[in-house]
Order: sequence, then structure tokens, then C-alpha cells
Amino acid sequence: DAGVTQSPTHLIKTRGQQVTLRCSPKSGHDTVSWYQQALGQGPQFIFQYYEEEERQRGNFPDRFSGHQFPNYSSELNVNALLLGDSALYLCASSRDRGRNGNQPQHFGDGTRLSIL
Amino acid sequence: ELKVEQNPLFLSMQEGKNYTIYCNYSTTSDRLYWYRQDPGKSLESLFVLLSNGAVKQEGRLMASLDTKARLSTLHITAAVHDLSATYFCAVDRTNFGNEKLTFGTGTRLTIIP
Repeated sequence: DAGVTQSPTHLIKTRGQQVTLRCSPKSGHDTVSWYQQALGQGPQFIFQYYEEEERQRGNFPDRFSGHQFPNYSSELNVNALLLGDSALYLCASSRDRGRNGNQPQHFGDGTRLSIL
Repeated sequence: ELKVEQNPLFLSMQEGKNYTIYCNYSTTSDRLYWYRQDPGKSLESLFVLLSNGAVKQEGRLMASLDTKARLSTLHITAAVHDLSATYFCAVDRTNFGNEKLTFGTGTRLTIIP
């Protein structure tokens, strides 16, 4: 049973560029959340997708956007990259609130994004 | 705004000793999660605590939740080197479960032989 998979594992970009990160949820999961983890910090919630719509959003600017596809996979897009966007981006999947059985979110290995 | 604080931030302890990591949060919540993260790796779920007084144990780790005090503890018994990692607590304020998690700053635990 494949867990949460993310691609790419590492990415180097320059300021002002745009980036797309991808996530496939664990089998049986329909909800995808994205987190940003700066070095030495705890993960910060970016947003969550369910039924192809953004359900909740954290304190991140509009440069951060996302999408969820009918197969529940998801993309995170970041425009106009800044040096401060350098971080580990984690995707987590879960089952919808009504069926989650109080199970934890499952995290992928992340994409390490470096901005030069 | 929900704030989650952990202490200590860094903990170095000898094998065989006991210690406790504390997680305080600022607003009412009945759902608290503990995760472990090894260097360069993702987050591994350790415990899900869903009600006041909940206690969960797995091996040398035991977690508890006091919702009235807004406090969770992660107790380590007779530490071994394999437990070296960073430990995070996370709170779900929505009370629906698996929604917006707010993480603490983490406790970096190093077990010295």
C-alpha cells in the first residue's frame, strides 16, 4: 500500500520564478493538506483541499495556490518566488472529517525547495 | 490565534534516563497529535489524543492530554539511542479532526550512549 508520494524531491529555483509541486495521497484518502517547514521550525499549514476545492487556508499570500484533481492528487503552485520561500514542503493526506475515524494525517517525504 | 509551545526546545539525555517533553496550547481543543521527525525525513505519527485524560503508550513513549490545562506531555522511559529525533506536537482547533494542524516548534532530542 503506497503512502503519500511527492515529487520532485529537490528543486532549485531563482527569485521571481514559479514552481509546481505534486502530491499523490495515500490509498483511500480523499483530503490533501500542504505545509511549509522552514529549517529548524515546525510545519506551517498552507491550505487543504477536499472534493477539488480549497476548504481551509493558513496565513499565506495569494502567491501560493493549489489544485486537487478528481483522483485526489494535488498540486501546490508558488508564483514570484522569494528567498524566504526556501523550505521543505510537506503534503499530508487523510480521509474526510466524516469518515476519518480519528486517524492522523499521513505525511509524504516532502519537496526541498531552494531559492537562489 | 492558536499558539502551540513546546519545551524544552533541545534535550540531551543519557541512555537509560527518563524525561518529559511538554506541549502547551493557547485555545480550547480536544485533539492533539504527536509526531516524530528524523533528520531530512518526513513526519511519522506517534499518538492521537482525542479527549481529556487520554493516555497512550507505545514502547518507551507515553503521551497524555489534559484539555483543561491545555497541556500534553510526552514521557520517555529508559531512553535508548533509537529515540533520537525531533518531536512535534500538533493541535487541531477545528475539532472535526484532520483539518488545520498547528504545530509546536519541536523538541530536538539527542540520546547519548
